[in-house]
Amino acid sequence: EAEVAQSPRYKITEKSQAVAFWCDPISGHATLYWYRQILGQGPELLVQFQDESVVDDSQLPKDRFSAERLKGVDSTLKIQPAELGDSAMYLCASSLAGGAGDTQYFGPGTRLTVL
Amino acid sequence: GNSVTQMEGPVTLSEEAFLTINCTYTATGYPSLFWYVQYPGEGLQLLLKATKADDKGSNKGFEATYRKETTSFHLEKGSVQVSDSAVYFCALSQGGSEKLVFGKGTKLTVNP
Repeated sequence: EAEVAQSPRYKITEKSQAVAFWCDPISGHATLYWYRQILGQGPELLVQFQDESVVDDSQLPKDRFSAERLKGVDSTLKIQPAELGDSAMYLCASSLAGGAGDTQYFGPGTRLTVL
Repeated sequence: GNSVTQMEGPVTLSEEAFLTINCTYTATGYPSLFWYVQYPGEGLQLLLKATKADDKGSNKGFEATYRKETTSFHLEKGSVQVSDSAVYFCALSQGGSEKLVFGKGTKLTVNP
């Protein structure tokens, strides 16, 4: 069964450093999502792509976070500079078309620890 | 805005006990409703979903019914197993972006 791939699985960094996370969605899935999950909470959407276009980045802290999906396939989420409060699990998900009731398939996540 | 409220955990049950995890939502119109499960060290997996009122989603012995009149989507299982120990998230999606809005999660531990 096809899966969403993410790397790295774990990342430890010091505050003020730059970090980057990579996601490869299920082949053929047009919609890609990045969520942030703080320990003990449900995931919250950071950014959503439809193909290579951003359709929702209203909760993305744009002063330090950036995301791209240049060819409409894989995606990179970057944080620069990292802050202590960025420690969380970063989840990538994809869906076929982003339509009503579409199932989102999640990757294993990247656990970020900022020291 | 849209929101999901699910029962506080943790929930601890003995094997073969009956499980209910309550979930209510706030949304305009008719959202789609989901239950996702997160096993230790893993990402989220879709457990079941319902896309319109009175629909029942079911999978692996779990089921939930979309109740518009009570804005609820409670998760039930008749006989839990140790392998069901995980964190369960209720979620909804609606609108043009169809982003998922999650509850805070309910941790379930099943003891032998």
